[in-house]
Amino acid sequence: AQSVTQPDIHITVSEGASLELRCNYSYGATPYLFWYVQSPGQGLQLLLKYFSGDTLVQGIKGFEAEFKRSQSSFNLRKPSVHWSDAAEYFCAVGGGTSYGKLTFGQGTILTVHP
Amino acid sequence: DADVTQTPRNRITKTGKRIMLECSQTKGHDRMYWYRQDPGLGLRLIYYSFDVKDINKGEISDGYSVSRQAQAKFSLSLESAIPNQTALYFCATSDCGRLGQGLGCGYTFGSGTRLTVV
Repeated sequence: AQSVTQPDIHITVSEGASLELRCNYSYGATPYLFWYVQSPGQGLQLLLKYFSGDTLVQGIKGFEAEFKRSQSSFNLRKPSVHWSDAAEYFCAVGGGTSYGKLTFGQGTILTVHP
Repeated sequence: DADVTQTPRNRITKTGKRIMLECSQTKGHDRMYWYRQDPGLGLRLIYYSFDVKDINKGEISDGYSVSRQAQAKFSLSLESAIPNQTALYFCATSDCGRLGQGLGCGYTFGSGTRLTVV
C-alpha cells in the first residue's frame, strides 16, 4: 500500500531564511510525487511534480524538490522564505498504477516570522 | 468556469439528515475522486471511480456513498450525517494511471465543500 509521511507537523522560520520540508513515501512502483500548498481557507495549489528524469525539479514560487530513491524521500526546499509562503504544505504520491490514486501526507504547517 | 466545480461551497446540516455533495468537471478525465480533509490528517480518500460503471471504496468509505451519473459528474452522499463527518471535502479528477501514458498526467481539484454537521 502506498503511504506518505511528513515528519514535521509545524515549522517556524524567519523571513529570508531557507526552508526544507521533509517527505518520505512508500510505493510499490516508480512513484509520481507531488507537493501542494494550501493557504488558509483556500483550495490546493500544485507547487511541483516529479514523474521521472532529473531528480531535482523546479516549481512555482521559487520552490524546488529533490527525489532520492535510495531514501524514499522527496523534500521540498526554498532558499529564502517570504511571509506569503505561510501556509500548509502537502506531499503526495500516486499516479503510476491503475486508477492513479493519490495518497497525501498529514501536512506541514509553515509559520513565517517577520 | 472552473475545471472542477463543487456544490455547495458551504453547508451546515443536522445530525441524521441526508446530504449530497456534487462535483462536475470539464477536464474530460476518466478518473474522479472524493477526499476529506481534517486538521492533522491531510486528505484521505473516500471513494474513487474510473467510469460510470466502476466505483471503488477508498480508505474511509464507511458512512458515505457515491454515484457516478456520467463521466463528468461524481456525487458524494452522507445517508445519515453525524458530527464527526464535519470536514472539508474535495473532489478531484485525473488522467494519471493509464497504461502507456506520457508524463503529462495531472490532478485537478475542486475548491472544496466545507460541511458542518451539528
